[in-house]
Amino acid sequence: EAGVTQSPTHLIKTRGQQATLRCSPISGHTSVYWYQQALGLGLQFLLWYDEGEERNRGNFPPRFSGRQFPNYSSELNVNALELEDSALYLCASTTGQGVKNTEAFFGQGTRLTVV
Amino acid sequence: DQQVKQNSPSLSVQEGRISILNCDYTNSMFDYFLWYKKYPAEGPTFLISISSIKDKNEDGRFTVFLNKSAKHLSLHIVPSQPGDSAVYFCAASGWGTYKYIFGTGTRLKVLA
Repeated sequence: EAGVTQSPTHLIKTRGQQATLRCSPISGHTSVYWYQQALGLGLQFLLWYDEGEERNRGNFPPRFSGRQFPNYSSELNVNALELEDSALYLCASTTGQGVKNTEAFFGQGTRLTVV
Repeated sequence: DQQVKQNSPSLSVQEGRISILNCDYTNSMFDYFLWYKKYPAEGPTFLISISSIKDKNEDGRFTVFLNKSAKHLSLHIVPSQPGDSAVYFCAASGWGTYKYIFGTGTRLKVLA
């Protein structure tokens, strides 16, 4: 069974550009979470999607957005990139209705570098 | 406001000895706790979890202890092996939170 897959693995963008990151959850999982891990910091919660809807978002500006498609895959978009957006972006999936006493499975991450 | 804290950024342990990683939380609504291990250039992998109705959960060499009154949990690895060298994150969730709140991680180095 395939795990959570993320693409691309590495992405280099220029300040002010837009970045699009993609995530495919484990088959049967309907919830997708996005986290940011900046250098030296823990995993900061970005967004939670379930059944195609945004259910919760973390303390990030509106230029961080995303969506979930009918096949439950998800896209994270970061507009007007800033240097401090450079980080590892991790996607995780769980069965539906969020993390009710169940573990989330993570992808390998997308390393975004803004220059 | 860091609701989940791992106050030790790093820990070194001799192979075969016990590794103890600690985690504190502030939100009394948290009722489910997890530990993840992360190698460089990989996503976190789930290790072990514990519900707030328990105070201990074991899985092989890994044991998690929960002290609800102190809002503290710890991960014990016995015996420690060089392959255990990684960054360990604790995470917490609670009813209505619908997401995991992660600590900042502890880098464990097991010396051969």
